[in-house]
Amino acid sequence: GAGVSQSPSNKVTEKGKDVELRCDPISGHTALYWYRQRLGQGLEFLIYFQGNSAPDKSGLPSDRFSAERTGESVSTLTIQRTQQEDSAVYLCASSSLTGHPDLYFGPGTRLTVT
Amino acid sequence: AQTVTQSQPEMSVQEAETVTLSCTYDTSENNYYLFWYKQPPSRQMILVIRQEAYKQQNATENRFSVNFQKAAKSFSLKISDSQLGDTAMYFCAFMKHGNNDMRFGAGTRLTVKP
Repeated sequence: GAGVSQSPSNKVTEKGKDVELRCDPISGHTALYWYRQRLGQGLEFLIYFQGNSAPDKSGLPSDRFSAERTGESVSTLTIQRTQQEDSAVYLCASSSLTGHPDLYFGPGTRLTVT
Repeated sequence: AQTVTQSQPEMSVQEAETVTLSCTYDTSENNYYLFWYKQPPSRQMILVIRQEAYKQQNATENRFSVNFQKAAKSFSLKISDSQLGDTAMYFCAFMKHGNNDMRFGAGTRLTVKP
């Protein structure tokens, strides 16, 4: 079916506001990942879901960041009290836990905190 | 922890020529996967090629091939007959077998010149 989708594609918010970023993985993909990519830089691992549990939350940069996943479906990444350093592209990816371990990425959400 | 190092922040190549991007990694694991991902200016991450560590034969995908040196922990990407559409950021990535936690290098920006 369709690939990984993310919404919104772009988000501009004022410092101090909360934002929610959404990811719809490929149907049937058990694993879901969130990465952060600052301008011109590499991918910073944030969190990984296996089903709706998160065995590795080590990448979340602060307690302002949280993520949840409903079953093996949609995930939301929430950033509370946004700061200017949160400005980045947030990439979501999913993969199947059977067969090849390839990650399939969404187009990302560009977050700008003013 | 696994680390992935890409020592070439930027490279350029003339159209139709060959270019090699370098990647080294550090792990104590014996069974793992290595990947090259491409991120064009549109920012959608696309899998280029995958190598399974237990396979001695280097992976190839059309104009893309790798030189996997397990003992040296080196995983370079060779692009033959470079095309303008190959212009992108290229990320090397590592995943431990059975772990599904993919970690990326900082990336190499490749420009193909006409």
